[in-house]
Amino acid sequence: DSGVTQTPKHLITATGQRVTLRCSPRSGDLSVYWYQQSLDQGLQFLIQYYNGEERAKGNILERFSAQQFPDLHSELNLSSLELGDSALYFCASSELNTGELFFGEGSRLTVL
Amino acid sequence: AQKVTQAQTEISVVEKEDVTLDCVYETRDTTYYLFWYKQPPSGELVFLIRRNSFDEQNEISGRYSWNFQKSTSSFNFTITASQVVDSAVYFCALSEAVGSNFGNEKLTFGTGTRLTIIP
Repeated sequence: DSGVTQTPKHLITATGQRVTLRCSPRSGDLSVYWYQQSLDQGLQFLIQYYNGEERAKGNILERFSAQQFPDLHSELNLSSLELGDSALYFCASSELNTGELFFGEGSRLTVL
Repeated sequence: AQKVTQAQTEISVVEKEDVTLDCVYETRDTTYYLFWYKQPPSGELVFLIRRNSFDEQNEISGRYSWNFQKSTSSFNFTITASQVVDSAVYFCALSEAVGSNFGNEKLTFGTGTRLTIIP
């Protein structure tokens, strides 16, 4: 158990819909990272937040947005969903002193 | 642009054999970080190692060892005396070091090598 909690674990929805994925980092970790793992694109970095502020941005679509709240949990919002958005979405947090990344178990999104 | 190539898509070995997973990277950065992650069947990603581009010393951790060769842009991973629990997908990753403490930002992952250890 990495200590990073992601909900929901599985989500099935239809094209055009909007979903929100939630992540709670390990206690004390200030940084949250979102990654997407799909068969087509592999593992891709989406976005990073540090203590509530966006720190780095990767290949995140405009239809996707994220935020980190004062209690440090983060949410990834995916809208106007397409079939190609079906993927495993990972959240990770990093340990302050060593920088080791701890990944959650992921949220598997299926768009039908 | 950064790129990580893991040419071995799948490898199967019999338990107790040694196995090496290859990783070749491309980057224009002079300083960078290299990583290996393990993704067991349960799905979560587990950090194995981070190596700064300045540190070319090989590293050994138990049955795991890593060989960093800057001259060939490779960062290979060897498991000695493999065990069934080593069965997983292994990812090599790369990130730039400038402006980063630990290189966790914008990791570029390879496509992974699925390792199966046969009992």
